[in-house]
Amino acid sequence: NAGVTQTPKFRILKIGQSMTLQCTQDMNHNYMYWYRQDPGMGLKLIYYSVGAGITDKGEVPNGYNVSRSTTEDFPLRLELAAPSQTSVYFCASSNRLAGLGETQYFGPGTRLLVL
Amino acid sequence: KQEVTQIPAALSVPEGENLVLNCSFTDSAIYNLQWFRQDPGKGLTSLLLIQSSQREQTSGRLNASLDKSSGRSTLYIAASQPGDSATYLCAVRRLDNFNKFYFGSGTKLNVKP
Repeated sequence: NAGVTQTPKFRILKIGQSMTLQCTQDMNHNYMYWYRQDPGMGLKLIYYSVGAGITDKGEVPNGYNVSRSTTEDFPLRLELAAPSQTSVYFCASSNRLAGLGETQYFGPGTRLLVL
Repeated sequence: KQEVTQIPAALSVPEGENLVLNCSFTDSAIYNLQWFRQDPGKGLTSLLLIQSSQREQTSGRLNASLDKSSGRSTLYIAASQPGDSATYLCAVRRLDNFNKFYFGSGTKLNVKP
């Protein structure tokens, strides 16, 4: 299993450009998450999905969009990049088992710089 | 709104020392609390998960405790090793929405040989 993979690893965007951050997991997990981590800070939840076709907002969704057409993929879309979106983006997945502890598996991250 | 705080922000200890990392949260209505390790340039690796009904969890040299009423958790690392050097983050899951996690900003640990 490759686990959770993210592409690209690093990207520089100009203000106003758009891009899609890709996330794929091969563990057949039903739950997937997007976080951002600013320097010296913890992670903040952007969006999450509980299954194909179902997404919901996290703590900081403004400026982002997501879709979940398959179990494996959960892309994050930035439509009009702004300097405030400079951050490291992490994708995670988990398999919710009722009554049991749930562990999130994280991808290696995408470092985004908006200039 | 849930606020999660980790103190200290950084910690440097000599190899072999036992140490404690602290995590506090403002809203005690949590479903569980999880400790993660983050290595530079990498994603997060789950270390221990404590359900709200539990008081502690142990894995090898790691022991995590939870006092929900006081909004505190500690991660105890015994006999620290240079390989333990990393940033340690705690995260709480809300009771009213299992899908929302709140992370602390982490404690950066350096274990000197």
